[in-house]
Amino acid sequence: ETGVTQSPTHLIKTRGQQVTLRCSSQSGHNTVSWYQQALGQGPQFIFQYYREEENGRGNFPPRFSGLQFPNYSSELNVNALELDDSALYLCASRGWREFNEQFFGPGTRLTVL
Amino acid sequence: GENVEQHPSTLSVQEGDSAVIKCTYSDSASNYFPWYKQELGKRPQLIIDIRSNVGEKKDQRIAVTLNKTAKHFSLHITETQPEDSAVYFCAVATRDDKIIFGKGTRLHILP
Repeated sequence: ETGVTQSPTHLIKTRGQQVTLRCSSQSGHNTVSWYQQALGQGPQFIFQYYREEENGRGNFPPRFSGLQFPNYSSELNVNALELDDSALYLCASRGWREFNEQFFGPGTRLTVL
Repeated sequence: GENVEQHPSTLSVQEGDSAVIKCTYSDSASNYFPWYKQELGKRPQLIIDIRSNVGEKKDQRIAVTLNKTAKHFSLHITETQPEDSAVYFCAVATRDDKIIFGKGTRLHILP
């Protein structure tokens, strides 16, 4: 198992609500990426944080936002939840050295009713 | 942006035979190509990766080949075993250091 942890494990919300997911990166890693994985699909890149700043974003609307803290842990916030936001949310961490391996956390399963 | 195509979407092979999964990418500046294995209900796990300065890398029964000119890379699993059954994802590191995934291949090892 990797040193990347996520909380909560599972979450149920209703449409229109807001949610915050958390990720603790592996020791020594300063880059965190977030992915959305719908059932039967590959992980879709949401955004990436390096040293507390967003430095890459995929095709997700602004209601998906994030933060990275000085200890390199990170949060993913989703506002105005929609049914299609139901998915497994994965975070992955790596060191900011070119070509470094990326390791995933166990994910948060979000269900929007 | 980078486009990663993965084929096939499903693959069934007899136990002991070889399996090959192929991916193509669009950005010639891409330079890091990892492969992940995801078992049901678990996180993706890195199984092998290759960087653009080499054409092939092997780790026991798993190998990856890279053709930068054609912009494609492949995962080869030899002497397949039941525990190889899983979903496999290729991924590509873009020029701006994002890692983008293919849609996955569900590999079934038949007894």
